[in-house]
Amino acid sequence: DAMVIQNPRYQVTQFGKPVTLSCSQTLNHNVMYWYQQKSSQAPKLLFHYYDKDFNNEADTPDNFQSRRPNTSFCFLDIRSPGLGDAAMYLCATSRDPGTEQYFGPGTRLTVT
Amino acid sequence: AQKVTQAQTEISVVEKEDVTLDCVYETRDTTYYLFWYKQPPSGELVFLIRRNSFDEQNEISGRYSWNFQKSTSSFNFTITASQVVDSAVYFCALSLNSGYSTLTFGKGTMLLVSP
Repeated sequence: DAMVIQNPRYQVTQFGKPVTLSCSQTLNHNVMYWYQQKSSQAPKLLFHYYDKDFNNEADTPDNFQSRRPNTSFCFLDIRSPGLGDAAMYLCATSRDPGTEQYFGPGTRLTVT
Repeated sequence: AQKVTQAQTEISVVEKEDVTLDCVYETRDTTYYLFWYKQPPSGELVFLIRRNSFDEQNEISGRYSWNFQKSTSSFNFTITASQVVDSAVYFCALSLNSGYSTLTFGKGTMLLVSP
């Protein structure tokens, strides 16, 4: 089945220790997104790639970076995680901008 | 700028009751998409429906139905004969049909269906 896969499902990292979350898709969609979701809140868009074009949200901290080496994969790098970065990180894809997005199961990040 | 308002923070119903989740949106654009997503306790957001701004026809899918009214800028979601498995957070969202548009989410409505 075509899908969006996120690894790992749970990630524990130490304060200040870099961490990378990964996302892959078999839908062959042009757009990939990274969201941060904290408890009882809506997902907050961090950035997205339309093909190779990177689009950063204005309020995304510099501590967050992303890479999309090919159509199928996208990575979220948190260079120096703080306690406030503990959250669920959701990856999503869509065929084109503005169309429905399909989400992965998420990676729950804990910062100790 | 776009805005989506889900005024109901939490709704509790008993199984088999019908329930309607409200969604009101704001946009100056004339072409846009509206969406509903379901987020069960497992955390994965599940796409339910997309509606184009030029198509006001209501839609029914099993126990789910959606009422889109441009005159009131609303896109409400009704679950008929609710079940415990319907318990989840439901998000309404909007995107523009232009450029690098992204989703604008409402804050979500938590639906609790008890046996």
